[in-house]
Amino acid sequence: EDQVTQSPEALRLQEGESSSLNCSYTVSGLRGLFWYRQDPGKGPEFLFTLYSAGEEKEKERLKATLTKKESFLHITAPKPEDSATYLCAAPTGNQFYFGTGTSLTVIP
Amino acid sequence: DTGVSQNPRHKITKRGQNVTFRCDPISEHNRLYWYRQTLGQGPEFLTYFQNEAQLEKSRLLSDRFSAERPKGSFSTLEIQRTEQGDSAMYLCASSFDTGELFFGEGSRLTVL
Repeated sequence: EDQVTQSPEALRLQEGESSSLNCSYTVSGLRGLFWYRQDPGKGPEFLFTLYSAGEEKEKERLKATLTKKESFLHITAPKPEDSATYLCAAPTGNQFYFGTGTSLTVIP
Repeated sequence: DTGVSQNPRHKITKRGQNVTFRCDPISEHNRLYWYRQTLGQGPEFLTYFQNEAQLEKSRLLSDRFSAERPKGSFSTLEIQRTEQGDSAMYLCASSFDTGELFFGEGSRLTVL
């Protein structure tokens, strides 16, 4: 069964304290692994797409990496404005399967 | 603005009433998706259009739900005889072929 699992469910960091979010997937015929950021009451905002194991992409304090079974979103020296829910998604067929997200809170 | 637009942003209705949501996708995108999201959960697939054709519907989608995309442009999602369990955020997204999804701000439905 196609599945996307994220951990941890919630993460509290002090400002400047780096960490990583995990997304593991079991999706047949993977056509990319997608990361989104979602602020409360808003739609998800696209961050990255990764297509092959070993690929890395960066945007400001965020870096996404991909292996054959999981993806990591590394957050370096986070700031309070990085507080949000981070979702990963994998397409299969005509659908995108989303994980339940990691709720990140960065404390000043 | 060339983003995905959804209306209304918020809808409060009484159980048993019908509601309709509208989505205007990014103009050059040929694919349009509807998702539903409840608190603490990721978006859940409802249905997908390629141009004007509805090509896939979730098995979880009740027959009270219907979606259209006339002329391959905007789309509407109608929920008939709403139930309290329909309360959720309804998200519309568009994409060009198999590329990344771009989401609208969502339409939040509260059924009393």
